[in-house]
Amino acid sequence: DTAVSQTPKYLVTQMGNDKSIKCEQNLGHDTMYWYKQDSKKFLKIMFSYNNKELIINETVPNRFSPKSPDKAHLNLHINSLELGDSAVYFCASSQLRGHETQYFGPGTRLLVL
Amino acid sequence: AQSVSQHNHHVILSEAASLELGCNYSYGGTVNLFWYVQYPGQHLQLLLKYFSGDPLVKGIKGFEAEFIKSKFSFNLRKPSVQWSDTAEYFCAVTSSGNTPLVFGKGTRLSVIA
Repeated sequence: DTAVSQTPKYLVTQMGNDKSIKCEQNLGHDTMYWYKQDSKKFLKIMFSYNNKELIINETVPNRFSPKSPDKAHLNLHINSLELGDSAVYFCASSQLRGHETQYFGPGTRLLVL
Repeated sequence: AQSVSQHNHHVILSEAASLELGCNYSYGGTVNLFWYVQYPGQHLQLLLKYFSGDPLVKGIKGFEAEFIKSKFSFNLRKPSVQWSDTAEYFCAVTSSGNTPLVFGKGTRLSVIA
């Protein structure tokens, strides 16, 4: 069974559209994260949720809105997509906040045309 | 703020050569240190981690890393690389509390036959 899963795996869309990426973990972890990996492979934290509560919100445009319906799910909704949003988005989870080992999903490759 | 430096952007080695990838971090307090690997087209996987105790930690696939507090370093080593070690390697650091996991910019390792 996949520990951290994301859908879709690939997403190609036009500028200005709104899209969502879903993430689910079956590890029973309390904390989930979204990361953005740019074309140079640089990984940066975007958001972190602990038990459905937002605990980390890095400097991300407010077009990005995470939603955690329960502690096993953390979805990412992006409004008015821009070219610069093209990247690979990774979801991750950990048992505790921040300083524990994080388990990553397979990534969602987003291409904005 | 914490930061992580990986000095080597791209390392090319022949099979059976020894590997050492540098990682330095800037944070004066107690840290937790990680090395993650990302094989081509795949998600990040944990190679090894240091939380406390013996500063020489052993990970999967024959990798090890040494935490040298005085040098703020956590270099990754492997005595003999294989072609299958070709991947992107990320060093990451976090401290206690809600601080996010901060990644270095990654080192691409190419192992040639």
